[in-house]
Amino acid sequence: QVQMKETGPGLVQTTQTLSVTCTVSGFSLTSYGVHWVRQAPGKGLEWMGIIWGDGSTNYNSALKSRLSISRDTSKSQVFLTMNSLQTDDTAVYYCARNWDYFDYWGQGVMVTVSS
Amino acid sequence: DIQLTQSPSSMSASLGDRVSLTCQSSQGIGNYLSWYQHKPGKPPKPMIYYATNLADGVPSRFSGSRSGSDYSLTISSLESEDTAIYYCLQYDEYPYTFGAGTKLELK
Repeated sequence: QVQMKETGPGLVQTTQTLSVTCTVSGFSLTSYGVHWVRQAPGKGLEWMGIIWGDGSTNYNSALKSRLSISRDTSKSQVFLTMNSLQTDDTAVYYCARNWDYFDYWGQGVMVTVSS
Repeated sequence: DIQLTQSPSSMSASLGDRVSLTCQSSQGIGNYLSWYQHKPGKPPKPMIYYATNLADGVPSRFSGSRSGSDYSLTISSLESEDTAIYYCLQYDEYPYTFGAGTKLELK
């Protein structure tokens, strides 16, 4: 069955770089896109970007200068990298599979950015 | 960016009530709209896609509709497990955008 799991550092310092990994099983990354979505405490959901099955990417323009999404298909992993972190990047970070909609989601990983 | 305006921002209803949540798009998105149910400590759960299609495993009391740029999620008979925040998402144009959410509580 389809499973997705995010792993991340938990705590990151301001101005540093965040790296979060989404490890998937039950499907191929070359056949499906994977989105990144985040939710800051007390806020709504924010779409960050997607890596498509062909490896191309699209990003939220508000984050594009700081954000990179990549993958390792041999390890079934998708990577989110975001630099120049600020405290308002504190959030739960989710990965989600793209089908006709965001059909499967990971449980999310909480990342706190502290000065 | 496309703005999605959800209304109401919060509401309370009784068990068995018919409940309708609305999402209005700032520009045309066709049927490229989906709905997600979000409960604390859990990932969002897909409910509706392409405006009117029920996602896998979603109870038939949920339905989606569209009238022009107005989209609705309707629960025909509210159950206690339906209390959650509901978000709409447009995926017609980048960046994809979510509405601010409607918090649904039991009266």
